[in-house]
Amino acid sequence: GQNIDQPTEMTATEGAIVQINCTYQTSGFNGLFWYQQHAGEAPTFLSYNVLDGLEEKGRFSSFLSRSKGYSYLLLKELQMKDSASYLCAVRRNTGFQKLVFGTGTRLLVSP
Amino acid sequence: DVKVTQSSRYLVKRTGEKVFLECVQDMDHENMFWYRQDPGLGLRLIYFSYDVKMKEKGDIPEGYSVSREKKERFSLILESASTNQTSMYLCASSSPGTGTGANVLTFGAGSRLTVL
Repeated sequence: GQNIDQPTEMTATEGAIVQINCTYQTSGFNGLFWYQQHAGEAPTFLSYNVLDGLEEKGRFSSFLSRSKGYSYLLLKELQMKDSASYLCAVRRNTGFQKLVFGTGTRLLVSP
Repeated sequence: DVKVTQSSRYLVKRTGEKVFLECVQDMDHENMFWYRQDPGLGLRLIYFSYDVKMKEKGDIPEGYSVSREKKERFSLILESASTNQTSMYLCASSSPGTGTGANVLTFGAGSRLTVL
């Protein structure tokens, strides 16, 4: 089985930097995904890590440490529109490669 | 713009009714999925399909069935709806493989089902 943990909720201020952590315990790890989901909308793909290190995409970066079972999503220069839930998902290399999601972190950005 | 379209955004059904949730994708993806999303529980996989007429149980298949007669269409069926199936249902599709683009899920807008 697998266990994926994320904080339930975080708050931050516009213009600031926030780091959303995700820890996982799984066998056959084969990649970690981050999705963004605005209230009432579908999740949308943000980033993917399969090797250790940092992947940067504009204001968003994602980091992975496979030995520690740990990832984080870093959001810089926060904007009000970044208020959303952020979902961490792990892909397992066991048969069909489906994703297993964490419960998500709700981020509230205030002025 | 690529799309996953779910036929109904909101449904209200009564206990015991048969419910069909339809999902169509226009990306020629092999893989299709049905998830349900509940507060505090996140996204949980109900069923998935990796090819036409193929289906596999996910983590919570009880009370559900699926149908995939055509590559672009994946239907979720609640044979006899119960109140504990009140939820947001999300359909998704992806292409297979092991590279970065593989398994990137494209989701539909969701179907919010209320069972009374």
